[in-house]
Amino acid sequence: EVQLLESGGGLVQPGGSLRLSCAASGFTFSSYAMSWVRQAPGKGLEWVSVISASGGSAYYADSVKGRFTISRDNSKNTLYLQMNSLRAEDTAVYYCAKESGLAAAGSPFDYWGQGTLVAVSS
Amino acid sequence: QLVLTQSPSASASLGASVKLTCTLSSGHSSYAIAWHQQQPEKGPRYLMKLNSDGSHSKGDGIPDRFSGSSSGAERYLTISSLQSEDEADYYCQTWDTGIVVFGGGTKLTVL
Repeated sequence: EVQLLESGGGLVQPGGSLRLSCAASGFTFSSYAMSWVRQAPGKGLEWVSVISASGGSAYYADSVKGRFTISRDNSKNTLYLQMNSLRAEDTAVYYCAKESGLAAAGSPFDYWGQGTLVAVSS
Repeated sequence: QLVLTQSPSASASLGASVKLTCTLSSGHSSYAIAWHQQQPEKGPRYLMKLNSDGSHSKGDGIPDRFSGSSSGAERYLTISSLQSEDEADYYCQTWDTGIVVFGGGTKLTVL
């Protein structure tokens, strides 16, 4: 059974940093691209970032480019999102999602985690 | 610019059928999409991948009540024999090199 378990969320002050993790199991993690998607309170889904299966390619939404960094450790079956210079508008539930292919942004998401809440406030 | 457009809301009666629409932006009518369901207070769930020719492949455990179809730039999700647990937000998703796009979502109310 595919499982994606996010962690690392919490309350952080504007300008602060946070690192999210997504522990994957039930599939060959190193064979699939992975993404982060966020959902602000009462709003729709917003794609944040994607990384290829090997980790060699990564892309970002304009809203986070230069502040967030996606990475993965295929030996630990774990996806990461390093978030720096956080702003109030980054407040959201952050989901990790598995793509059905290995190339970044090349296929639909076929599994989702349950999410972790990030709140940016003073 | 790659954009997906969805109606904000839809409603249908218990046991009836409903057809939700996702429209691709001009010049992108050949793109495949995916449909996702998000029940209240839950994470999204993958329903299916839908190609421009109307062929589709569903996710694990998705009932036959859910089906997809296409016409030009329109992509449809039809839910038949509506049940109370179908009341949820439905999002379409597409992708291209270096970018993933979601529609704004349709909130389905089961009357």
